[in-house]
Amino acid sequence: AQTVTQSQPEMSVQEAETVTLSCTYDTSESDYYLFWYKQPPSRQMILVIRQEAYKQQNATENRFSVNFQKAAKSFSLKISDSQLGDAAMYFCAYRRGFSRNQFYFGTGTSLTVIP
Amino acid sequence: DGGITQSPKYLFRKEGQNVTLSCEQNLNHDAMYWYRQDPGQGLRLIYYSQIVNDFQKGDIAEGYSVSREKKESFPLTVTSAQKNPTAFYLCASSTTGLGSYNEQFFGPGTRLTVL
Repeated sequence: AQTVTQSQPEMSVQEAETVTLSCTYDTSESDYYLFWYKQPPSRQMILVIRQEAYKQQNATENRFSVNFQKAAKSFSLKISDSQLGDAAMYFCAYRRGFSRNQFYFGTGTSLTVIP
Repeated sequence: DGGITQSPKYLFRKEGQNVTLSCEQNLNHDAMYWYRQDPGQGLRLIYYSQIVNDFQKGDIAEGYSVSREKKESFPLTVTSAQKNPTAFYLCASSTTGLGSYNEQFFGPGTRLTVL
């Protein structure tokens, strides 16, 4: 079974600063997809950013970007200009390719934003 | 508005009772999923269904049952055989296309408490 590891249970960042959340995964496959989801206190899961393994270019969505290192099986999330609304649990997720739609989630990183 | 609804938001159950959690989606997604979320354990897959009238067990299916009679609906029954059912339950849906991200969209969740 695939495993996704988030080694930082908790992180904090000053408002307007940059923070990086780590994620590593274990797979023997070459085709797969990676995701970061945000779960604010409302507990509604929201997709933040996604990356396809075949794409070398790192995905970017406004203040959110990833550092995808395929050989190292690493998929970190960088949040720039942190805002109070970024405070949430962040989950890294892996999906196998070829239409196998089962997701594997990490245990999450709780991000606190300090005003 | 397209989305996923879960009901009820809060559910209380006495030991020995079966309860059913509702999940409905109007996104026209083929696949639907049920997850259990406990503190420090991320999301664990209970059951998933990629097409009507078919479903597969996830990692923690014991004590749970599902049905998929309609594309829009994927109810989860928590049976009395589930030893520790108190948790937050999330329903999700996704497309299933080849070569697509097929990211999961989540409902707002149901908090189940066993009294």
